[in-house]
Amino acid sequence: DTEVTQTPKHLVMGMTNKKSLKCEQHMGHRAMYWYKQKAKKPPELMFVYSYEKLSINESVPSRFSPECPNSSLLNLHLHALQPEDSALYLCASSQDTWQGGRAEQYFGPGTRLTVT
Amino acid sequence: KQEVTQIPAALSVPEGENLVLNCSFTDSAIYNLQWFRQDPGKGLTSLLLIQSSQREQTSGRLNASLDKSSGRSTLYIAASQPGDSATYLCAARGLSGTASKLTFGTGTRLQVTL
Repeated sequence: DTEVTQTPKHLVMGMTNKKSLKCEQHMGHRAMYWYKQKAKKPPELMFVYSYEKLSINESVPSRFSPECPNSSLLNLHLHALQPEDSALYLCASSQDTWQGGRAEQYFGPGTRLTVT
Repeated sequence: KQEVTQIPAALSVPEGENLVLNCSFTDSAIYNLQWFRQDPGKGLTSLLLIQSSQREQTSGRLNASLDKSSGRSTLYIAASQPGDSATYLCAARGLSGTASKLTFGTGTRLQVTL
């Protein structure tokens, strides 16, 4: 099973709301990633977790807060977002740890976020 | 800093045609190169992964090649079908540290017509 699941599929939130995105994988992967993708652009890396510890934060604003409660689950907590944060948020996982390794990244279907 | 370019940006071909998508990268120090497919508004589907030590990978009608020395990879699609219509992204993975992230190309939008 090479599936990464993400919920919800769509999310509309106001600028004062607090919401969370959820990502889950049951492949035993130890690296998990959050990406942001704007229309007609490639995905941009936001965060990387390796063995449930945050290893990379690509200078993401603090209104995005990641959390990795266990090796199968990755959350992205959202608070006080701006309309320009509207995008497709993709989660991915891979077998290897962040440093080195050669495994493929498997992506989830994404959450389409609209900030009003 | 790694830069990945994909040419062409868009391509339209009739069904049944064989086609080649190109991917160029500036830093040859990569672990691997991965090709993805993305349907509109959807996530990425991994198609092929080529390790830096490999020259070629095949899966069904897809064949990907890698020439590290020249900084190029190609994705060959044989006997194209309307269902192949999607955006194709290549991504190069660096060797270590923060360079070990995937650097994506801007994609080639493919349309296969009946």
